[in-house]
Amino acid sequence: AQSVAQPEDQVNVAEGNPLTVKCTYSVSGNPYLFWYVQYPNRGLQFLLKYITGDNLVKGSYGFEAEFNKSQTSFHLKKPSALVSDSALYFCAVRDPTIIQGAQKLVFGQGTRLTINP
Amino acid sequence: SAVISQKPSRDICQRGTSLTIQCQVDSQVTMMFWYRQQPGQSLTLIATANQGSEATYESGFVIDKFPISRPNLTFSTLTVSNMSPEDSSIYLCSVDHDRSRDTQYFGPGTRLTVL
Repeated sequence: AQSVAQPEDQVNVAEGNPLTVKCTYSVSGNPYLFWYVQYPNRGLQFLLKYITGDNLVKGSYGFEAEFNKSQTSFHLKKPSALVSDSALYFCAVRDPTIIQGAQKLVFGQGTRLTINP
Repeated sequence: SAVISQKPSRDICQRGTSLTIQCQVDSQVTMMFWYRQQPGQSLTLIATANQGSEATYESGFVIDKFPISRPNLTFSTLTVSNMSPEDSSIYLCSVDHDRSRDTQYFGPGTRLTVL
């Protein structure tokens, strides 16, 4: 079964510094990988995804993520953090090769990102 | 992406009662999903709802507790039955957008508190 790990419950970064939110995954096939962001009292917003192709994917709000198959990782990055980036970030995976429940998204535990002014 | 709305946005309910949550999408979609996010936790899939067929429930979730309807391609409901305080969660619906089938888009969620 597929699984996702976000090893850090919380990440604190000073405004203007680069940020990284870590994610590792486990699937039997080739993964579809996603990052979502959740602001207080709001639903999940899609940020970016890796399906195939270039390992570096770019998404909304200046975020990007790098797929590393050998390390089974999909870390979220941004070169210069903004205070408005403070939110809860979720990594998710799905395995499109499984017959039953191929559309199922499995989420990590979430990482609370705080950007300090 | 699809525009998804949920009703109610939040509710406070008494133990033993039931609440029905509605999810409306602005376009026709094949698959809709219901997730639960318990306080301070991640999201867990409750069930997948396809139009014209029974919902498919994940391990640990049963139809008697979480009956789901999917009467057409733009609408679904989730009922939380015989509620207990342990059901206090955010309930989110999502859709597998037909033009971008690999990405799920989420509604704003329903925050449920059971006293």
